[in-house]
Formats: sequence, structure tokens, C-alpha cells
Amino acid sequence: EAGVVQSPRYKIIEKKQPVAFWCNPISGHNTLYWYRQNLGQGPELLIRYENEEAVDDSQLPKDRFSAERLKGVDSTLKIQPAELGDSAVYLCASSLGHRGWDTQYFGPGTRLTVL
Amino acid sequence: KQEVTQIPAALSVPEGENLVLNCSFTDSAIYNLQWFRQDPGKGLTSLLLIQSSQREQTSGRLNASLDKSSGRSTLYIAASQPGDSATYLCAVGGNSGGSNYKLTFGKGTLLTVNP
Repeated sequence: EAGVVQSPRYKIIEKKQPVAFWCNPISGHNTLYWYRQNLGQGPELLIRYENEEAVDDSQLPKDRFSAERLKGVDSTLKIQPAELGDSAVYLCASSLGHRGWDTQYFGPGTRLTVL
Repeated sequence: KQEVTQIPAALSVPEGENLVLNCSFTDSAIYNLQWFRQDPGKGLTSLLLIQSSQREQTSGRLNASLDKSSGRSTLYIAASQPGDSATYLCAVGGNSGGSNYKLTFGKGTLLTVNP
């Protein structure tokens, strides 16, 4: 069974440039998460989707970040414009549902460096 | 706001040694607790999930315990091997508001097992 797929794996951009990350969850998983992991820290939730609906985006900086999950399958996270402080690893995860016992499966992440 | 602390931040042991990683959390109103493993450049892999009603979970050489009332969990690794070298993250599953379930992660413990 294929795991969570993310691309690109690495991205280096100048500040003020836009950037987008793509995630394809495990087939059949209705719930999709985007996390940000700063160096030396644990992941922090940015947004959670149930199918195509964003049901928890309270931690998403909406002035510059946006996300979509059209058709309830793959998802894109965008930053426009990027700032130096956005340098981090962006992780995508998926689970069958959002019940407490549903294991979240993580992708390898996209490492973003903003210069 | 839930806060998760992991001690020690880093640990280096010789192969074959038994070891314990510690996790503490401030809000005992949790649904569950998970231990993840993160290898460099890779995503997180779920190791064990303990529901709030459980005291411990075991998988192979791993044993995780949960004392919800005191806000503590431990991950015990028996007969450590060089392949166990990774960062181990503790994540507490709780309510982030409304009906939103959210994982709050610690910063992790970097484990090095020396041959």
C-alpha cells in the first residue's frame, strides 16, 4: 500500500515569493492534515480536512497561507508571500477518520528554506 | 492550553541497554497519547497509541505506559539496537475546541544507540 506522498521534497525560495506544496493521502483516507515542524520542535497542526471541507483551520495564518482539497483527495498548501520565518518542514498526514483511535500516517515532508 | 514536555532532549546509550523516555503533559483531559518515531528526512511513524482508559501498550521491544492523573507517559525500549536511533515524539490527543480533536506534540528525544 502506498503511503502519503508529498512533493517537492525540498524547496528554496527568496522571501516574498510564492510557494506551493502538494500532498496525496493514502487511498480511502477521508481526513487530511497539514502540519508545520520548525527545527527542534514537534509538528503543529495548520489545517485539517474532512473530505473536501476544512473543519479546523484555526492555526492557519490566513493572511498568507491558503489550502485546498478539491474532490476530497489530494491537497495543496500555498504560501504567498513567503517570509523568512516560514522556513520549516511542512508535513502532510492522513487518517481513515478523525476519531481518537484513527492513526495518522505521515508523509516525508517538504523542507522549505526561505532566503 | 496543552503543553507537552519530553525529557531528556537527547540520549546516547550503548547497544543492548534498556532505556526509558519520558513525556509529561499539563492537561489531563486527554483522549489518548501516541508515541511516534521520526528518522532524519522522513515523516513520523506511529509506534504505539494508548487510549485514556488504558494503562499501557506493548509492541515488540516497546512498552508505553500512561498515568493520566499525573500527566505522565513513559516509553520503554528493551535491548536497544543501532536501528532504534531516531527522534521519538510524544503526542497527546485532546480537544482543541468544539468537537475538534487535536494532537499536541512534544519537542522529541533524540536517541542514539552506539554499536
